[in-house]
Amino acid sequence: KQEVTQIPAALSVPEGENLVLNCSFTDSAIYNLQWFRQDPGKGLTSLLLIQSSQREQTSGRLNASLDKSSGRSTLYIAASQPGDSATYLCAVGGYTGANSKLTFGKGITLSVRP
Amino acid sequence: EAGVVQSPRYKIIEKKQPVAFWCNPISGHNTLYWYLQNLGQGPELLIRYENEEAVDDSQLPKDRFSAERLKGVDSTLKIQPAELGDSAVYLCASSRQDQETQYFGPGTRLLVL
Repeated sequence: KQEVTQIPAALSVPEGENLVLNCSFTDSAIYNLQWFRQDPGKGLTSLLLIQSSQREQTSGRLNASLDKSSGRSTLYIAASQPGDSATYLCAVGGYTGANSKLTFGKGITLSVRP
Repeated sequence: EAGVVQSPRYKIIEKKQPVAFWCNPISGHNTLYWYLQNLGQGPELLIRYENEEAVDDSQLPKDRFSAERLKGVDSTLKIQPAELGDSAVYLCASSRQDQETQYFGPGTRLLVL
């Protein structure tokens, strides 16, 4: 059974700092890995999706990397802003195709202090 | 384009009562998902539809939960009877067939008293 771990559960940083959020998973037979953002009381917003054959994806100030063999992914946020404060969830797609089940971690709650 | 729509946004009921949640996916999205999110946890898949067909319902507690997607568009998730432990956020998501990004609705927050 796939298990996804995100540590720490919460993180507080000053504005402008570059930061890395970590995600680990137990079964390397994955189809893809996605990073989501969740604001309080809201649904999830997809940030980046990495195919199992890819090493990284970039969007603006965000960069996600994937090391499938070691079961790890990182989300790098450059020059953090207070508006980045949210919960960031990592989700792994099972190896059954594009619409397969996502297994989520518990998320990391990020607070960026002005 | 309009996002995934869910209603109601909030629901408070007493235990043993029935409750239903409704989801309207993004137009053209064949795949629809219902997730359960407990406080401080990541979402867990309850059921996945490809058009009208439930292709993965292994995590759905079938003794009290049921779902339907009769015309392959809107979907309803029902709980009968509700228990205290069902208090959670119920999220609906949709995606195009063979495209991996899932788009989530705002969720329905259920409180069972």
